[in-house]
Amino acid sequence: NAGVMQNPRHLVRRRGQEARLRCSPMKGHSHVYWYRQLPEEGLKFMVYLQKENIIDESGMPKERFSAEFPKEGPSILRIQQVVRGDSAAYFCASCGLAGSQETQYFGPGTRLLVL
Amino acid sequence: GESVGLHLPTLSVQEGDNSIINCAYSNSASDYFIWYKQESGKGPQFIIDIRSNMDKRQGQRVTVLLNKTVKHLSLQIAATQPGDSAVYFCAETSGNTGKLIFGQGTTLQVKP
Repeated sequence: NAGVMQNPRHLVRRRGQEARLRCSPMKGHSHVYWYRQLPEEGLKFMVYLQKENIIDESGMPKERFSAEFPKEGPSILRIQQVVRGDSAAYFCASCGLAGSQETQYFGPGTRLLVL
Repeated sequence: GESVGLHLPTLSVQEGDNSIINCAYSNSASDYFIWYKQESGKGPQFIIDIRSNMDKRQGQRVTVLLNKTVKHLSLQIAATQPGDSAVYFCAETSGNTGKLIFGQGTTLQVKP
């Protein structure tokens, strides 16, 4: 009974490089949320996706960040031309039903360090 | 704007005592609240949830209380154990997309 899986667990990039973070939801879940956590802070919503659709991207920075959840395969959070301020832990969560009253289960996160 | 906040950044308790972690929220339209536990280097772990049509919900050693009048949420942990040491976040859902709004977190330290 695998939970939410994320990889890589740790990612080091130099400024200007691209970072690709992957998230495989729990079996049977078709809704994925991405959150970012800065050190000593709570998680901040970034984007909500269903298969092949972006439902809510109100928390995504306007530039350099994109997300997808293809019909097959994991959800991808992509950060182009990374800057030091992108260093953070990125978590994805999944749930099985749409709507506001469905428990989200989180993955272990990807810790991105930009040098 | 919407926000969820916690009253105390750090709570230190003796092993075996009860712990109470508090949370204030500002969006009176929120209808679903969750407590998560986050250990160092890990993702948030679901503890317990409560819907806005309830005042209290109990789990194993944990109880969540919701006071909608003052927009206050609390997590009670009975007989606190060293394994309970972690950061605890309250979260509320906003809108019909289910996105979570998290508070800053309370660090619970359990002294043996």
